[in-house]
Amino acid sequence: GENVEQHPSTLSVQEGDSAVIKCTYSDSASNYFPWYKQELGKGPQLIIDIRSNVGEKKDQRIAVTLNKTAKHFSLHITETQPEDSAVYFCAASLNDYKLSFGAGTTVTVRA
Amino acid sequence: EAGVTQSPTHLIKTRGQQATLRCSPISGHTSVYWYQQALGLGLQFLLWYDEGEERNRGNFPPRFSGRQFPNYSSELNVNALELEDSALYLCASSLGGSTGELFFGEGSRLTVL
Repeated sequence: GENVEQHPSTLSVQEGDSAVIKCTYSDSASNYFPWYKQELGKGPQLIIDIRSNVGEKKDQRIAVTLNKTAKHFSLHITETQPEDSAVYFCAASLNDYKLSFGAGTTVTVRA
Repeated sequence: EAGVTQSPTHLIKTRGQQATLRCSPISGHTSVYWYQQALGLGLQFLLWYDEGEERNRGNFPPRFSGRQFPNYSSELNVNALELEDSALYLCASSLGGSTGELFFGEGSRLTVL
């Protein structure tokens, strides 16, 4: 099955700086790569996703890049704000429901 | 519009007992997924139900089971509880079929003593 590795496990950034989280996946056939944000006491919420026919996607301060050859994808958060503090999960799947999640990255934005 | 709702919020059981967790999907969603989130680990896929049928299950023993009702709500049953079953159990729903956004509930925290 699909195996997704996520790094780093924790990330502390100064408010206004950028944050980058990287993930690798094992199944070259995977074609859907979402990112979820989980705030304390809440369930994960989709923040951005990318499909294998696209190399990069942006949504305001958030961007995701995908390198299918190297089987890795990354989340970039620019101009970080305190409300960006949360746990972020990457995931991968092949055309179906069965998302395989990374272990998560705890992001702390220091004021 | 109501999101995915789960109950109970917290549940404490002892080893060997059974636990039942419940999930109501977003109105109009026919697919329900269950994930286990153990402390420090990512989300591990447990079960997927769609239109009342179990479509697939993750790498968990048979004592993890569930069902989906005609109104698309679902329950997860865990028999013969073990200490390592302590985790946050997350339910998610989607419109059904293949890939699409999963909408998660806030989870049920199961503690096994």
